[in-house]
Amino acid sequence: QSVLTQPPSASGTPGQRVTISCSGSSSNIGISTVNWYQQLPGTAPKLLIYSNHQRPSGVPDRFSGSKSGTSASLAISGLQSEDEADYYCAAWDDSLNGYVFGSGTKVTVL
Amino acid sequence: QVQLVESGGGLVKPGGSLRLSCAASGFTFSDHYMTWIRRTPGKGLEWVAYISDIGDTNSAGSVKGRFTISRDNAKRSLHLQMNSLRVEDTAVYYCARRRSSGWDLDYWGQGTLVTVSS
Repeated sequence: QSVLTQPPSASGTPGQRVTISCSGSSSNIGISTVNWYQQLPGTAPKLLIYSNHQRPSGVPDRFSGSKSGTSASLAISGLQSEDEADYYCAAWDDSLNGYVFGSGTKVTVL
Repeated sequence: QVQLVESGGGLVKPGGSLRLSCAASGFTFSDHYMTWIRRTPGKGLEWVAYISDIGDTNSAGSVKGRFTISRDNAKRSLHLQMNSLRVEDTAVYYCARRRSSGWDLDYWGQGTLVTVSS
């Protein structure tokens, strides 16, 4: 059972906008910044969004993140076939003194 | 460029031990917290353990008392000693670097597969 809750799946057609939610608590998202990772099939996870909404160099601006209270969300606009992957939110948890991940959301491009 | 290369994975029987290593290059290893993350079949990503730049450590409850994280700054290497392995420890294990500030993991290795089975 993951500490952060995400929907198991999301889908859209090419060009559509897809949003993934991430729900936490006052011991993690409520007091920490949220990061998002993308894991393409057969590859290592890649940092997609850090500090709630910042994009590392090389990440397209189609990807955006936001946070409010104890929840966060990742939006993919202009969905492309290469965006088919698993997406995970993550944050530091003060109660556990550890890094917690969401349950992961599989994005399918129809 | 930053590179993290894991090694040491393999097939082990329940109750057995394994030592994973991660060789780092392309950055000042001693300046960064380092972590082990695993992806278990059907369960997604799970944080396993971290070690700070000065050697403070902590591990997830599921592995506490069985797994030990360590680092050798002179050799630019990270290790994970895994004892009393269980079937549920079967996963791909990744080493990852924490950025200098904040708790995001900006570089990851390619992973090493650990299979615990009789």
